[in-house]
Amino acid sequence: NAGVTQTPKFQVLKTGQSMTLQCAQDMNHNSMYWYRQDPGMGLRLIYYSASEGTTDKGEVPNGYNVSRLNKREFSLRLESAAPSQTSVYFCASRAGGPDTQYFGPGTRLTVL
Amino acid sequence: GENVEQHPSTLSVQEGDSAVIKCTYSDSASNYFPWYKQELGKRPQLIIDIRSNVGEKKDQRIAVTLNKTAKHFSLHITETQPEDSAVYFCAASSPNAGNEKLTFGTGTRLTIIP
Repeated sequence: NAGVTQTPKFQVLKTGQSMTLQCAQDMNHNSMYWYRQDPGMGLRLIYYSASEGTTDKGEVPNGYNVSRLNKREFSLRLESAAPSQTSVYFCASRAGGPDTQYFGPGTRLTVL
Repeated sequence: GENVEQHPSTLSVQEGDSAVIKCTYSDSASNYFPWYKQELGKRPQLIIDIRSNVGEKKDQRIAVTLNKTAKHFSLHITETQPEDSAVYFCAASSPNAGNEKLTFGTGTRLTIIP
């Protein structure tokens, strides 16, 4: 089992460029999540998907869109990147009920 | 919604001593409380969790206690070692939100002094 995987590991964008961060899990989990973590700070929820075909906003959704492509994959899109979106992005998944979330290795994004 | 506060924000202890990190939560219905450890440049990883039907759980040098009446839970690390140096996050989830979301504390940077 690979668990939760993310691509790419690193990315540098210019202001205004777009990109999609990919996330996949092979644990047959129902729920998937996107977080951002800024230096010295905690984890802030951007969007989540409780099941295939559903998505909901988290704490900081502005400037992002998501797609739950199927049960395994959950992508995060930046349509017009801004320097304020420079951060480390973590994807996570959870089986269901009161259970833990398992995190991917993260994508380090820099917007110039 | 749920609010989780975590203290202290930084903690330094001598190797071999114990470390305690405390969290409080606001939603009395919350029923799941995980603790994550995040090493520099790595992903958060679950180290221990507790559900609201128990008051304490232990795994080798790590233990978590839960006081539902006071709405607080704590992480205890005994016989600390240099590899315990990391940032630790507490979190809580509530069935009021379908247990869908974890609300995280702001983290504690633990430094073990050799």
